[in-house]
Amino acid sequence: ETGVTQTPRHLVMGMTNKKSLKCEQHLGHNAMYWYKQSAKKPLELMFVYSLEERVENNSVPSRFSPECPNSSHLFLHLHTLQPEDSALYLCASSQDRVNIQYFGAGTRLSVL
Amino acid sequence: GENVEQHPSTLSVQEGDSAVIKCTYSDSASNYFPWYKQELGKGPQLIIDIRSNVGEKKDQRIAVTLNKTAKHFSLHITETQPEDSAVYFCAATDLGANNLFFGTGTRLTVIP
Repeated sequence: ETGVTQTPRHLVMGMTNKKSLKCEQHLGHNAMYWYKQSAKKPLELMFVYSLEERVENNSVPSRFSPECPNSSHLFLHLHTLQPEDSALYLCASSQDRVNIQYFGAGTRLSVL
Repeated sequence: GENVEQHPSTLSVQEGDSAVIKCTYSDSASNYFPWYKQELGKGPQLIIDIRSNVGEKKDQRIAVTLNKTAKHFSLHITETQPEDSAVYFCAATDLGANNLFFGTGTRLTVIP
């Protein structure tokens, strides 16, 4: 148990669906991250929320929309995804952005 | 930006033997190098890290070495055990930039 909980663990969705991934951290951290993990590729940082500031990777398509209502919760809203978006989506948190990142177990997403 | 390369992509060793995984990085400003272990169905977990002011760090059977001149760092696991089987990721960052750049991972299999 890392203190970072992701739900759901598995998600299958059609290209026209709208769904959301949820992440919650119980570590008192003030920075949270979304990563995409695809086979044989480096972990790809999608979004960072730190002290209410959002930093994003400009290559992430707009069909991915993050939301961070408070320092303990992070969402990734998904709409009109493509099959190539199928991957493991990992959430992480850290105390400030300079320290160790703690990862959740991920959500395995399949887009049909 | 930073580019991290990791080798080998797969590694099989006999139980009790040593395993070595190597990474190179491109940005000479990088000064923090963590290693993560990812077991099946789990997110990456930090196992050891090193900062640029030291050349080697050891924690029981795990050690990491850093050569800043050559811009490479390595993970050494001695007396391997079946539970060491996992995917290992190296990463590099400039603590001022705060974004971790990951390698592509090494799948380590320890054969009993």
